[in-house]
Amino acid sequence: NAGVTQTPKFRVLKTGQSMTLLCAQDMNHEYMYWYRQDPGMGLRLIHYSVGEGTTAKGEVPDGYNVSRLKKQNFLLGLESAAPSQTSVYFCASSYSTGGLNTEAFFGQGTRLTVV
Amino acid sequence: QQQVKQSPQSLIVQKGGISIINCAYENTAFDYFPWYQQFPGKGPALLIAIRPDVSEKKEGRFTISFNKSAKQFSLHIMDSQPGDSATYFCAAKLGLSGAGSYQLTFGKGTKLSVIP
Repeated sequence: NAGVTQTPKFRVLKTGQSMTLLCAQDMNHEYMYWYRQDPGMGLRLIHYSVGEGTTAKGEVPDGYNVSRLKKQNFLLGLESAAPSQTSVYFCASSYSTGGLNTEAFFGQGTRLTVV
Repeated sequence: QQQVKQSPQSLIVQKGGISIINCAYENTAFDYFPWYQQFPGKGPALLIAIRPDVSEKKEGRFTISFNKSAKQFSLHIMDSQPGDSATYFCAAKLGLSGAGSYQLTFGKGTKLSVIP
């Protein structure tokens, strides 16, 4: 049972380069999220999706774009990387935001360094 | 932006002791309060969660205490073990009828070290 899988696990980018982070989940979850984690800042929501073909902005969306073309995949794009985007990125998914099944399952993270 | 304030930032506890991490929130529309545990190099994983209609929830050595009037909740780890050494995050989620109800708002985390 893979759960939530993120690729790549590590990446170094030069300022101005672009890249796409891929998140795949095999739990048939409707909702998917991208967070970034910085020291002393906790986890901050970048973008989220409540279903295939729909996305919405979270707390810190600037400089990022997302797409949810398939239910199981959620892509995070950086069009022009900046050093401020150096962070650990986590993807998560959940069945529902209400009721008992509100647990968010997280991937292993992608450590991105922008030089 | 809704806030969840977590303290302390770091905590050192001896093996067998009680670890206590506190969180406070502002928005009374939050209706779900989970705690996540994160080991180095791993993603956060749900540890235990509570809804505001109960004052306490216990799962093994882990207990959430919830004080609705004070808008505070805390995680207690009884008989702390070295294997509990990790970063702990509290979080809160708005009720379904609230704006942004799909988002978990996280505290900034507490790094717990349990020493033998």
